[in-house]
Amino acid sequence: EAQVTQNPRYLITVTGKKLTVTCSQNMNHEYMSWYRQDPGLGLRQIYYSMNVEVTDKGDVPEGYKVSRKEKRNFPLILESPSPNQTSLYFCASSSRTVNSPLHFGNGTRLTVT
Amino acid sequence: GEDVEQSLFLSVREGDSSVINCTYTDSSSTYLYWYKQEPGAGLQLLTYIFSNMDMKQDQRLTVLLNKKDKHLSLRIADTQTGDSAIYFCAVDAYSGAGSYQLTFGKGTKLSVIP
Repeated sequence: EAQVTQNPRYLITVTGKKLTVTCSQNMNHEYMSWYRQDPGLGLRQIYYSMNVEVTDKGDVPEGYKVSRKEKRNFPLILESPSPNQTSLYFCASSSRTVNSPLHFGNGTRLTVT
Repeated sequence: GEDVEQSLFLSVREGDSSVINCTYTDSSSTYLYWYKQEPGAGLQLLTYIFSNMDMKQDQRLTVLLNKKDKHLSLRIADTQTGDSAIYFCAVDAYSGAGSYQLTFGKGTKLSVIP
């Protein structure tokens, strides 16, 4: 089954403790992206990747890192999480040609205390 | 860059029609999408329309596109309680080098009253 898999689904951590949220897709998509969703703010793009070893900042990249060493994986790294990074995070992928919609993972709810 | 606007809330009675509106700014947009997010889940593609079309119908869903006014709408006929969700408008525009960038609205939370 074609899917985008994120782990973990829920994560509670403390300020400053490094964490990684994994994302994997099995559709051989070139494009992958991370979003955060906050009430009243909708979806905001954090980072995206057009292909292996190619990553770019989205609208809200501060405090986040990503890597794209393999086509299928696009982990999101928070080196020193802060409470304002408490949010719902989504990974998405697509082939990014015309009319290639984004496929979303089920989300990771992160709480930083 | 592209700016996509939609109202945040809509409340309708079960059995009525729902109309969710969206406006965008980039006239070069190619494909326009509606995504649905149910509680606790990711976004799922509901339907889409190509920019050279005015209307697309898919069972209870009707998408209307007014390119001149850069206005997109999603009509859900005979709205059911299972339609309660957040609906996101998303607009695809060419961003150069053979790639397309998708811009999302903030989402409209549809509440269906039994």
